[in-house]
Amino acid sequence: NAGVMQNPRHLVRRRGQEARLRCSPMKGHSHVYWYRQLPEEGLKFMVYLQKENIIDESGMPKERFSAEFPKEGPSILRIQQVVRGDSAAYFCASSQEDKGEAFFGQGTRLTVV
Amino acid sequence: KQEVTQIPAALSVPEGENLVLNCSFTDSAIYNLQWFRQDPGKGLTSLLLIQSSQREQTSGRLNASLDKSSGRSTLYIAASQPGDSATYLCAVLFSGNTPLVFGKGTRLSVIA
Repeated sequence: NAGVMQNPRHLVRRRGQEARLRCSPMKGHSHVYWYRQLPEEGLKFMVYLQKENIIDESGMPKERFSAEFPKEGPSILRIQQVVRGDSAAYFCASSQEDKGEAFFGQGTRLTVV
Repeated sequence: KQEVTQIPAALSVPEGENLVLNCSFTDSAIYNLQWFRQDPGKGLTSLLLIQSSQREQTSGRLNASLDKSSGRSTLYIAASQPGDSATYLCAVLFSGNTPLVFGKGTRLSVIA
């Protein structure tokens, strides 16, 4: 059973471009969470999704950021018109059930130049 | 506000020493608590999960305890090895519709 798969592992974007981060949860997991980690900072919650539904997006900036978890395929975190401050490591986690044990992917390290 | 605090921020010990990492949280109403390990530039590896009804969990040289009433958890590492060097993160799932809340971690260095 493969773990949580994130791609790409590293992503470089110029200011103003779009970044698309992908996350495939563990097999059998229907709950996906996205977190952002800044250098020397803890992980900050962004959004919680179940298949085709956003459950909690309280940690996600209102503008430029969006997330989806379609019926088929990976979850996508999309950042439009990236700025330097978006540079961070973005981690995805999945769980089999609500409030179940969370398993994390290796992260996508976004660098905005 | 529901917060998780980890002390110390960094710890350096000689190989072979037993050590304790501390985690405190502000609200005793929790579903579970997880300890993770993060190596530099890598993802998070789940080490131990303690449900709110449990007092401790063990895996190999690791033992995690939970005291909800005092809002504390400890991660005990026995006979530390250089390979244990990493950042250890404590995360709490508070009751209610809240996501996992993370502490900032303790950066552990085990010196050979």
